[in-house]
Amino acid sequence: DQQVKQNSPSLSVQEGRISILNCDYTNSMFDYFLWYKKYPAEGPTFLISISSIKDKNEDGRFTVFLNKSAKHLSLHIVPSQPGDSAVYFCAATSTGNQFYFGTGTSLTVIP
Amino acid sequence: DAGVTQSPTHLIKTRGQHVTLRCSPISGHKSVSWYQQVLGQGPQFIFQYYEKEERGRGNFPDRFSARQFPNYSSELNVNALLLGDSALYLCASSLVAGPNQPQHFGDGTRLSIL
Repeated sequence: DQQVKQNSPSLSVQEGRISILNCDYTNSMFDYFLWYKKYPAEGPTFLISISSIKDKNEDGRFTVFLNKSAKHLSLHIVPSQPGDSAVYFCAATSTGNQFYFGTGTSLTVIP
Repeated sequence: DAGVTQSPTHLIKTRGQHVTLRCSPISGHKSVSWYQQVLGQGPQFIFQYYEKEERGRGNFPDRFSARQFPNYSSELNVNALLLGDSALYLCASSLVAGPNQPQHFGDGTRLSIL
């Protein structure tokens, strides 16, 4: 049972424009959400996180939005750069012990 | 500071064999988790250890076991290997086990079963 879903396997964006990656979850007990970026042959790299007590968290070009009522979070990258091309995973946890990951969205930023 | 280190980077085994994968967490991190990632999927949780005790276990058979040592490094053991165990095995560490603690990943061990 996939508790965290990323329904878009891939996304292409022009350099300089906004990239929006989406994630849905089913478990209302999740209270901490994270985004990871993964390059080929490397492990996932932590990007940004958000606690359920917030609805927005920003770090430089990256902003994560959380809509608890819709059980939806999104990652905005502005402006997008070619180096942002990677697979992005969202993850969620309720206990901090077990993290549930989505299947990933492959982002391509076109120069 | 060194990140999470895993060894070996690649491994080839045959069905029925046993394998041990190793992980050293980021210095100061006391919690280690193991994940399995198959092609096209996100990482699937296997175990979490904190202060040498198991704190969480995912939906994996008893052929999978792990332990954490006093220096907080960890081993993942898999017995009676099956073809379906072929995957990237990721180790992640965090300062402690608990809420609002991001996990930081190593580059993984690529396990191939022939």
